[in-house]
Amino acid sequence: DTGVSQNPRHKITKRGQNVTFRCDPISEHNRLYWYRQTLGQGPEFLTYFQNEAQLEKSRLLSDRFSAERPKGSFSTLEIQRTEQGDSAMYLCASSPIGGSYEQYFGPGTRLTVT
Amino acid sequence: SQKIEQNSEALNIQEGKTATLTCNYTNYSPAYLQWYRQDPGRGPVFLLLIRENEKEKRKERLKVTFDTTLKQSLFHITASQPADSATYLCAPLYNFNKFYFGSGTKLNVKP
Repeated sequence: DTGVSQNPRHKITKRGQNVTFRCDPISEHNRLYWYRQTLGQGPEFLTYFQNEAQLEKSRLLSDRFSAERPKGSFSTLEIQRTEQGDSAMYLCASSPIGGSYEQYFGPGTRLTVT
Repeated sequence: SQKIEQNSEALNIQEGKTATLTCNYTNYSPAYLQWYRQDPGRGPVFLLLIRENEKEKRKERLKVTFDTTLKQSLFHITASQPADSATYLCAPLYNFNKFYFGSGTKLNVKP
């Protein structure tokens, strides 16, 4: 399967703990996006990478969130000192440069903060 | 900031009928507008894109229209099938580095 993969698929953590999620995009895709989605809402943009450069970051993202894409391949999203409000589905998507800018989404990581 | 509105109420239709979903946006028109399908527990799947200078785009049973005067896009599924039941999201593109999604409309196609 050459689609976008995300790990873990589910994560349950206690409030105050740090969590890290991983995204492996489609190999030839330069663009990588992270989103957060809560029930009944559409995906909410968090951050964007073109290759290894983080070019866009949502103002909604607090200092507790950080993302990296060190070699322009896989990416990680870390949430420090998790809060109950961080409970959501975290989606990663990749996209090739040019074309229709269609995004290919991974299956998501569901985070539950207790 | 841009506001994207999709009907939050589910659309219930009979199999074989045409489903029409609406996406309204505020302020200036996007260069592109995309539509995605999302099934429960899964990531969205890209369906169609329409450009600002295009009035209509078709792909098999799908049709998208784009009216920049009304600031609206319509998404049609003809000869709908129960397998078309899902949530449909619109995503206007204002900035290729940053995508905004509507909250989606849930479509239920009854046999």
